[in-house]
Amino acid sequence: GEDVEQSLFLSVREGDSSVINCTYTDSSSTYLYWYKQEPGAGLQLLTYIFSNMDMKQDQRLTVLLNKKDKHLSLRIADTQTGDSAIYFCAESMDGYNKLIFGAGTRLAVHP
Amino acid sequence: DTEVTQTPKHLVMGMTNKKSLKCEQHMGHRAMYWYKQKAKKPPELMFVYSYEKLSINESVPSRFSPECPNSSLLNLHLHALQPEDSALYLCASSPRTGADEQFFGPGTRLTVL
Repeated sequence: GEDVEQSLFLSVREGDSSVINCTYTDSSSTYLYWYKQEPGAGLQLLTYIFSNMDMKQDQRLTVLLNKKDKHLSLRIADTQTGDSAIYFCAESMDGYNKLIFGAGTRLAVHP
Repeated sequence: DTEVTQTPKHLVMGMTNKKSLKCEQHMGHRAMYWYKQKAKKPPELMFVYSYEKLSINESVPSRFSPECPNSSLLNLHLHALQPEDSALYLCASSPRTGADEQFFGPGTRLTVL
């Protein structure tokens, strides 16, 4: 079955790195995504990784994928107050349009 | 144009009203989606349109009626809704069908009285 799990809350100090973790169950997942949602707003696609990759870096964002453990992480370097939001990880399978979302991790950045 | 737009931003309706939500994209995407998001929950897929044809209906009640008049527009017609249908309704689009990345609009905040 399809299931995506995330921890619900993370608090970090401004300037530190944040690491948000996600586990998924479906080994046939093709793409894994990270979305950011600020209060009252839609979802912003941050980055994604194809299942045959193990790492992807995009400016302050680093995605690590451990396919054996079905574990995905998003690292945000030099976390800023503007990074405070809910972060959703999501999986999709080749040939399907359906995104399966985790419950979302609320990131709080404090001075 | 690299965004998905949704109107209205907010909508308040009674249970006997008929209203419509509108979504538009001009990125040439051929797949469009409706999601429902309740407070403090992740989005849940409602419908998928692929090349203007309905390809997925996630067992959504018939009081929600989607329509895709052309490749850039997606509507969601609402009739006889219940208070529990109050939520943020998100539209998304992707370049093709399959596992392409989906780009979301800002959503319509719907309140049913």
